[in-house]
Amino acid sequence: QSMLTQPPSVSGTPGQRVTVSCSGGTSNIGRDIVSWYQQLPGTAPKLLISGDNQRPSGVPDRFSGSKSGTSASLAISGLQPEDDADYYCGTWDGSLNGWVFGGGTKLTVL
Amino acid sequence: QVQLQQSGPGLVKPSQTLSLTCAISGDSVSSKNAAWNWIRQSPSRGLEWLGRTYYRSKWYNGYAVSVKSRIIISPDTSKNQFSLQLNSVTPEDTAVYYCTRTSDGVNDFWGQGTLVTVSS
Repeated sequence: QSMLTQPPSVSGTPGQRVTVSCSGGTSNIGRDIVSWYQQLPGTAPKLLISGDNQRPSGVPDRFSGSKSGTSASLAISGLQPEDDADYYCGTWDGSLNGWVFGGGTKLTVL
Repeated sequence: QVQLQQSGPGLVKPSQTLSLTCAISGDSVSSKNAAWNWIRQSPSRGLEWLGRTYYRSKWYNGYAVSVKSRIIISPDTSKNQFSLQLNSVTPEDTAVYYCTRTSDGVNDFWGQGTLVTVSS
């Protein structure tokens, strides 16, 4: 059972905008920065959004992140077929003294 | 560019010890701006943080409560790497294991992953 809650799946057509939500609590999202990770089949997760809305070099600006209170969101605009992947949110939990992650959201580009 | 290269066996017998190593290039295991983690992923547990080691004038470790009694994460400064030992494994420990670097509050680099199967 994941400490952060994400929808199991979302879908969209090429060019559309989709969002992935991530819900937590005061000991994790409410007090620390949230990062987002993209995982393509058979590969390791890759950092997508650093901090609350910082993109590492090479990540298209179609990807953006936001946070409000104990929830965070990942937005993907101008969907591309290569965005078809699993997406995870993660943050530090000050009560557990460890990293916590969402259960992952499977994005299907129709 | 930081790279993390994992090594270790993919099959471990029940009750034995799982041992993995993560070799670091492009950074130092002794960096005062980083922490070095082990995270595993399985269909039943998702992404699960197991623990970390980091240096801040002395070495510190932190472990997840779920594995605290049977895990050791240790740095090897001579080889610029860190390792995971998980004792008394059961089939529930079957997962893909990743090493990662945490810097500025994010896991910015990940190893390639090692599928470890616990089976006799």
